[in-house]
Amino acid sequence: QVTLRESGPALVKPTQTLTLTCTFSGFSLSTSGMCVSWIRQPPGKALEWLALIDWDDDKYYSTSLKTRLTISKDTSKNQVVLTMTNMDPVDTATYYCARIQSTIGFLDYWGQGTLVTVSS
Amino acid sequence: EIVLTQSPATLSLSPGERATLSCRASQSVSSYLAWYQQKPGQAPRLLIYDASNRATGIPARFSGSGSGTDFTLTISSLEPEDFAVYYCQQRSNWATWTFGQGTKVEIK
Repeated sequence: QVTLRESGPALVKPTQTLTLTCTFSGFSLSTSGMCVSWIRQPPGKALEWLALIDWDDDKYYSTSLKTRLTISKDTSKNQVVLTMTNMDPVDTATYYCARIQSTIGFLDYWGQGTLVTVSS
Repeated sequence: EIVLTQSPATLSLSPGERATLSCRASQSVSSYLAWYQQKPGQAPRLLIYDASNRATGIPARFSGSGSGTDFTLTISSLEPEDFAVYYCQQRSNWATWTFGQGTKVEIK
């Protein structure tokens, strides 16, 4: 059974760095073809893709946010970490992590999401 | 960056009716397009991948078609649980993924 769960602070101040952790089970990121991605959704708005890391440790980022994002993995802990620097109120959103397996090539399992509010 | 434009923004239909949702890409994405369903307070759920393949457990009333720049999600006969927001998403290459702005299917 594949599950993913996001964790991190519910509230961050402007200019701070956000660190989110995705803890997953039911698959391994050391298996060829497996990837984990981060997506966010501001309240009442559309989904926005942020970043992806694959089994080979290749990393891909949203063009508009790449200077602020870092994605990494800890295969032994079944975790993927996303950091976003210089947080702003417009970054207030629910942040999701999701799995990709190459046979499907899209986001087939999602976490429940974690709401991050940016406010002083 | 490839932009996905979904239409209409809102679709008002009754249970049992047919729903047709459109997604247009600003340049060709071949068949690398997916559709997701999202209900209030829930994470999105993968419905269709590679334009026309149903994901595991998705009912046959959901179908996808198209290639290149024009794609369609069809729900043949709306069930009460199908009223939700639907997003298309492309991955023309592994490095750039984008979502459409969503179509809300609401009860008329």
